Amino acid sequence: RKEVEQDPGPFNVPEGATVAFNCTYSNSASQSFFWYRQDCRKEPKLLMSVYSSGNEDGRFTAQLNRASQYISLLIRDSKLSDSATYLCVVNVGGAGSYQLTFGKGTKLSVIP
Amino acid sequence: EAQVTQNPRYLITVTGKKLTVTCSQNMNHEYMSWYRQDPGLGLRQIYYSMNVEVTDKGDVPEGYKVSRKEKRNFPLILESPSPNQTSLYFCASSTVHGGDNEQFFGPGTRLTVL
Repeated sequence: RKEVEQDPGPFNVPEGATVAFNCTYSNSASQSFFWYRQDCRKEPKLLMSVYSSGNEDGRFTAQLNRASQYISLLIRDSKLSDSATYLCVVNVGGAGSYQLTFGKGTKLSVIP
Repeated sequence: EAQVTQNPRYLITVTGKKLTVTCSQNMNHEYMSWYRQDPGLGLRQIYYSMNVEVTDKGDVPEGYKVSRKEKRNFPLILESPSPNQTSLYFCASSTVHGGDNEQFFGPGTRLTVL
């Protein structure tokens, strides 16, 4: 079983739509979870960390479900500028581990 | 401006010709890492360093070397490049406990080995 799995997409959605991505991880001891955004041929950038209680940043909401070992990202009121690849990132080694495992990414295209 | 820089940004070389990709950060970060990104495979960690003179293998270290003689620099060395090392390479840095904090990425180096 792969350590971090994402639906590769692509997700093609109209402007204003709500879209959700899920990501599953295999190691129940994983401690830290993130969503990164990567524009075409650019470096990944942190979008948001994912906390146990869930967290929101404007139109973006991240959730963690430890029992089912997945994290999610919800984007409301999609903008054209949200078009990018979204990477699920997990510290699969747990607390004190120095390695992050990246999912392969989910591509989002927001269409006018 | 806080940043991670990589050089060169683009490189075409031939099999067996040793090369070095430099990485430098100005944020006084302890943790630095190298990744390669290939279509369909995502980002995979090559090597990482938790501080000066402390390095360790990531998931795909074969064919690569690194060194960490200074805190700000973390060069990636390919002693004898092969075509299967053609890839997009990213350097990243973070405060200590790199697994728990944001990693800042350089702009990437696109390497082609003929």
